[in-house]
Amino acid sequence: EADIYQTPRYLVIGTGKKITLECSQTMGHDKMYWYQQDPGMELHLIHYSYGVNSTEKGDLSSESTVSRIRTEHFPLTLESARPSHTSQYLCASSAPRGTGYEQYFGPGTRLTVT
Amino acid sequence: GQNIDQPTEMTATEGAIVQINCTYQTSGFNGLFWYQQHAGEAPTFLSYNVLDGLEEKGRFSSFLSRSKGYSYLLLKELQMKDSASYLCAVSWRDKLVFGAGTILRVKS
Repeated sequence: EADIYQTPRYLVIGTGKKITLECSQTMGHDKMYWYQQDPGMELHLIHYSYGVNSTEKGDLSSESTVSRIRTEHFPLTLESARPSHTSQYLCASSAPRGTGYEQYFGPGTRLTVT
Repeated sequence: GQNIDQPTEMTATEGAIVQINCTYQTSGFNGLFWYQQHAGEAPTFLSYNVLDGLEEKGRFSSFLSRSKGYSYLLLKELQMKDSASYLCAVSWRDKLVFGAGTILRVKS
């Protein structure tokens, strides 16, 4: 059973507010990821990290930023939320499987910006 | 470039068998994953193939042909709870490249 947690699960916030979405995992995985997913649409990778002090932008451009100061913690921050940021944000970590990497997903944060 | 194709939607009847196809063209390949995602929830792991052939696990089986860039997920004895989105994903360089997903609707 994968142990990866996200808080809050749901967030409704006004335009212009700063928000931080939390993600933590207790599996000791080095690799972690953030995805953005609109309802019924595909997953888009927005950030990833290969370990402490490593962060990279994903395939989809995002105004959010991330940090990785501790292995278990990978928070995502929006400095000034806008309605276009309304979406579901999924955090994942990965471990080797065969020659690839299996990803374990957190429950997600559903963000609504009004 | 990375390109993964799956049908957008499929409908099947409870108790039946359904096959969800996935074709891929990616710059590298370290295996192919299938995930299940119920509406509003996180994806959960279903299967992994890295060698050609069929992997069977209960009611679910997954097939891979690397030379053809092709995989399918086979679901037998469909149940209403199998109504979900099924995501095909190629593993490459520590990341997963996801397809758009196939929404499966199971009707009684």
